[in-house]
Amino acid sequence: GAVVSQHPSRVICKSGTSVKIECRSLDFQATTMFWYRQFPKQSLMLMATSNEGSKATYEQGVEKDKFLINHASLTLSTLTVTSAHPEDSSFYICSARRDSGNSPLHFGNGTRLTVT
Amino acid sequence: GIQVEQSPPDLILQEGANSTLRCNFSDSVNNLQWFHQNPWGQLINLFYIPSGTKQNGRLSATTVATERYSLLYISSSQTTDSGVYFCARFRTSGGSYIPTFGRGTSLIVHP
Repeated sequence: GAVVSQHPSRVICKSGTSVKIECRSLDFQATTMFWYRQFPKQSLMLMATSNEGSKATYEQGVEKDKFLINHASLTLSTLTVTSAHPEDSSFYICSARRDSGNSPLHFGNGTRLTVT
Repeated sequence: GIQVEQSPPDLILQEGANSTLRCNFSDSVNNLQWFHQNPWGQLINLFYIPSGTKQNGRLSATTVATERYSLLYISSSQTTDSGVYFCARFRTSGGSYIPTFGRGTSLIVHP
């Protein structure tokens, strides 16, 4: 159990376009989802915490208008990279947990975004 | 803020060898999780271990919360164990538990 599906796994887009990444919990309800960015050979950098039905909480230095997060249901959160630029190219990963409390994280397989 | 330090940063093993990875954290822990990121980027849960010892096949983990560290043991390593091992502990913020990751230990297991 506790499967998290992230789509797409890879996307290439042109500079100035927007890209939407979906994160779904397939067999559980995820009250809280997290979005991360990972650069090559580095750790996961938390971008934002998404709670179902409320606004996302962004980490310091993450542009809210650039990285739009929506968590409209207990099984789906989306990250939209707006007006993407080459510097936004990265590996984006979502994770989900059953509640906002002390329970394990479960990860999607990540999305590799390349902006040309 | 909370600090999570992992050691060693890099590790190279011959297949069949054993190893111990360490995770130190700066404050008392009430939750800790170990993950393995394979070469394709997929993150796999290994252990959710706020305290005590757990075992799963060739892997085991021990967290000593009072001394602020956790250890991940890999026995009889295999080439498929290669990848990066992360530990994460959680801080509370606005009623939620927010993960803080260490920098990881990059493991290469040679045949």
